[in-house]
Amino acid sequence: GDSVTQMEGPVTLSEEAFLTINCTYTATGYPSLFWYVQYPGEGLQLLLKATKADDKGSNKGFEATYRKETTSFHLEKGSVQVSDSAVYFCALRGPYSSASKIIFGSGTRLSIRP
Amino acid sequence: DGGITQSPKYLFRKEGQNVTLSCEQNLNHDAMYWYRQDPGQGLRLIYYSQIVNDFQKGDIAEGYSVSREKKESFPLTVTSAQKNPTAFYLCASSRDRDSNQPQHFGDGTRLSIL
Repeated sequence: GDSVTQMEGPVTLSEEAFLTINCTYTATGYPSLFWYVQYPGEGLQLLLKATKADDKGSNKGFEATYRKETTSFHLEKGSVQVSDSAVYFCALRGPYSSASKIIFGSGTRLSIRP
Repeated sequence: DGGITQSPKYLFRKEGQNVTLSCEQNLNHDAMYWYRQDPGQGLRLIYYSQIVNDFQKGDIAEGYSVSREKKESFPLTVTSAQKNPTAFYLCASSRDRDSNQPQHFGDGTRLSIL
């Protein structure tokens, strides 16, 4: 079945460092891919999405490119801020997925030091 | 503003008691979902519903029940059969029949045992 694998955390970086959080997936057909962010004590918010191969999703300085050949959707940011500290979830929604379910990765906790 | 409202934010359950978590959406979405999140872990699907008066079990449905009498409402009951109910519960909704669409989340309900 469909699945998402993302790098384990926690990830700790200094402010202004470059961020990469790896995400790979297994799916039938051409899924849509998403990154969500969860701040402490809150629900998940959609950060960005990509719906077809080679699409690049971007928002708030974060980017991720849908790579069909490597089945990856890695999240990147050129210069992180303390306010980026949160848990990040990679997710997919497959075109043939029963009941339109979204499959989530296990989440990666990111902590940014001032 | 359209969105998902979960209530209460915090809930306490006594032994042997059933409790009901509320989830209301005004996004006119067909599909609604309930997830459980344990500390440091990802999301696990409890129940989902694609249409009024219809719902399906997710991955961890035992000890939970739901109803979908109205399009905008999808309450979750945590029954006394759920022996380890302490967790953060998230409700989500999405437009169905379109895999490009993400899920929108509420701010969650934190359930604890007295």
